[in-house]
Amino acid sequence: QVQLQESGPGLVKPSETLSLTCTVSGGSIAPYYWSWIRQPPGKELEFIGYIFYSGTTNYNPSLKSRVTMSVDTSKNQFSLKLSSVNAADTAVYYCARIFPRGNDILTYYFDSWGQGTQVTVSS
Amino acid sequence: EIVLTQSPATLSLSPGERATLSCRASQSVYTYLAWYQQQPGQAPRLLLYDASKRATGIPARFSGSGSGTDFTLTISSLQPEDFAVYYCQHRGSWPPSFGPGTTVDFK
Repeated sequence: QVQLQESGPGLVKPSETLSLTCTVSGGSIAPYYWSWIRQPPGKELEFIGYIFYSGTTNYNPSLKSRVTMSVDTSKNQFSLKLSSVNAADTAVYYCARIFPRGNDILTYYFDSWGQGTQVTVSS
Repeated sequence: EIVLTQSPATLSLSPGERATLSCRASQSVYTYLAWYQQQPGQAPRLLLYDASKRATGIPARFSGSGSGTDFTLTISSLQPEDFAVYYCQHRGSWPPSFGPGTTVDFK
């Protein structure tokens, strides 16, 4: 059973860049798609985007101008950078695997999740 | 962008009762809909995908139905561990998105 663990600073200053890493264990990062999802306090989950193990990415248009995702297959990790953060970016950030179903590995459903990490944007 | 709404916001029931949760999409998502369960302080867990297919390890008391814009999650007989928040999520168009959730709590 694949396990995911987010890591990174819990506090980021406004206008700076949020950086998180997700470490995958119990399985290989290839040949799957991986994603970042966030949940602001008291609000619904928001899909941020995905990255393929090869490095192909696709981002939610609402965040596209500020998001960068990358992958390091040698470390079985993938990462998220969100620039120019403000208070609205305060949330629990989850990394998750996109559910692979047979030959369809880009189902856009999420079957394995990290425990989530709280990121607060504040000076 | 497709918007999902869920009703009711809160469902107060007792163990053993049947729970019926609704998810409505602002436009058709065909059968491209999933349901997740989230316990306090935990990550969501995939219950159902493609509207009615149970994910690995999900008990048979969880079932889903619907297509187009109207979907239902049914829990046939609530167990104590089923009291949680339930989210629907579509993949009918880009970007995928989640509904606001239904809380199932103890009556």
